[in-house]
Amino acid sequence: GQNIDQPTEMTATEGAIVQINCTYQTSGFNGLFWYQQHAGEAPTFLSYNVLDGLEEKGRFSSFLSRSKGYSYLLLKELQMKDSASYLCAVRDSNYQLIWGAGTKLIIKP
Amino acid sequence: DVKVTQSSRYLVKRTGEKVFLECVQDMDHENMFWYRQDPGLGLRLIYFSYDVKMKEKGDIPEGYSVSREKKERFSLILESASTNQTSMYLCASTAGTGLGYTFGSGTRLTVV
Repeated sequence: GQNIDQPTEMTATEGAIVQINCTYQTSGFNGLFWYQQHAGEAPTFLSYNVLDGLEEKGRFSSFLSRSKGYSYLLLKELQMKDSASYLCAVRDSNYQLIWGAGTKLIIKP
Repeated sequence: DVKVTQSSRYLVKRTGEKVFLECVQDMDHENMFWYRQDPGLGLRLIYFSYDVKMKEKGDIPEGYSVSREKKERFSLILESASTNQTSMYLCASTAGTGLGYTFGSGTRLTVV
C-alpha cells in the first residue's frame, strides 16, 4: 500500500530551528509537496521538490532524497505565527496526491 | 491570486438529510477535487474531476456523489447524511497535473 509518515506533533522555541521529517512509500513518484495549515483554515502551498536536493525559500527549506524515500521541511528563525500543522504529500505514478496525516508544530516563547 | 470559495464554513444537518456542498474557483482551472479531513488521518480524496461533466471516484466515494455542470463549480452531494460523515470537507483546484493545489477554506459539517 501507499504510506506517508510524519511525526504527529513537535514543539520548538521561538527563534530556533526545527526540522519536520517525512518518509514515503508510494507507487511511483512525481513530486513531493509541503503545505502549511493553520487551525481551522485551508492548507496553503509551501514548497515542491521533484529532484534530489535542497530548495530554499526564505526561512523555509525543503529537502528530498528519492532513493531514501525521505524529505524534510526546515524552518529557521521560528516565529509564533509558524504554529500550524505541516502536511507532506507525494504525487504518485497516477498523478494523485497521497497525503500524510500532518505534523502539528507548537512554538513556545 | 486563485480563489477557491466554499459556500459554507459551518453546517449542521440531520441524519438522512440530503446535503449539498458547493465549491467555486475563479481561475479557469480544469481539475477540481473534494477531500475530507479527519483528526489523525491525512486528507482523503472523495471525488475529482478533470473536466466539465467528468468525474472520477477517489479513495472513499461511498455515500457521496458529485456534479460538475460548469468548469468553475464542483458540488459534493451527500445523498443521505450519516453521523460518520461529520468531518471537515475541503475543495481544491489546480490548472494541471504538475502543479500544486489551491484549497478552499473548508466546510465543517456536523451530522446529528
